[in-house]
Amino acid sequence: EDKVVQSPLSLVVHEGDTVTLNCSYEVTNFRSLLWYKQEKKAPTFLFMLTSSGIEKKSGRLSSILDKKELFSILNITATQTGDSAVYLCAGGTSYGKLTFGQGTILTVHP
Amino acid sequence: DTGVSQNPRHKITKRGQNVTFRCDPISEHNRLYWYRQTLGQGPEFLTYFQNEAQLEKSRLLSDRFSAERPKGSFSTLEIQRTEQGDSAMYLCASSFEQTNTEAFFGQGTRLTVV
Repeated sequence: EDKVVQSPLSLVVHEGDTVTLNCSYEVTNFRSLLWYKQEKKAPTFLFMLTSSGIEKKSGRLSSILDKKELFSILNITATQTGDSAVYLCAGGTSYGKLTFGQGTILTVHP
Repeated sequence: DTGVSQNPRHKITKRGQNVTFRCDPISEHNRLYWYRQTLGQGPEFLTYFQNEAQLEKSRLLSDRFSAERPKGSFSTLEIQRTEQGDSAMYLCASSFEQTNTEAFFGQGTRLTVV
């Protein structure tokens, strides 16, 4: 059975801190690792990673995939209160089916 | 086209009633997925369509659940004889096979069974 595990489950930081969110996966017919941000509504897309070792960046967010160790991390630097959300990691198959982790609840205090 | 659209946004129903939800994907997307999300959990896969063909159903999906995508465009998810355990957010997502990009999610239908 496909499985995605995220850690930590929750994280409380202050504005300006840097955080690292972890995701390990075991997905049959794996093709891609995706990160989504969820704020009390539908998940919004952050990154899609298909190749090992190539960092993807978007502003203060970055992510990298290790296909040998079946692991990905999401980094957020200089956190802001607007970064407070649930961050979801998902393993995607060749036909786009996603297996999600439980999510990491990030709370950023001013 | 403004994205994946789901209706209704909220549904409250009595236990034992049937409910139906609708999803309109992004127009050129031929892949459509249904997920269910309960509080504190990530979304769980329910079923997947490519065009009008339902290609995979989760073992979590009991026989009270049925989904259709009759013309390869919009999809419906029906739950018969609802139970309190069916209370959840039902999310629809779509993607385009030819570019194999990420799935885009709708706003979801929140179901409450009382």
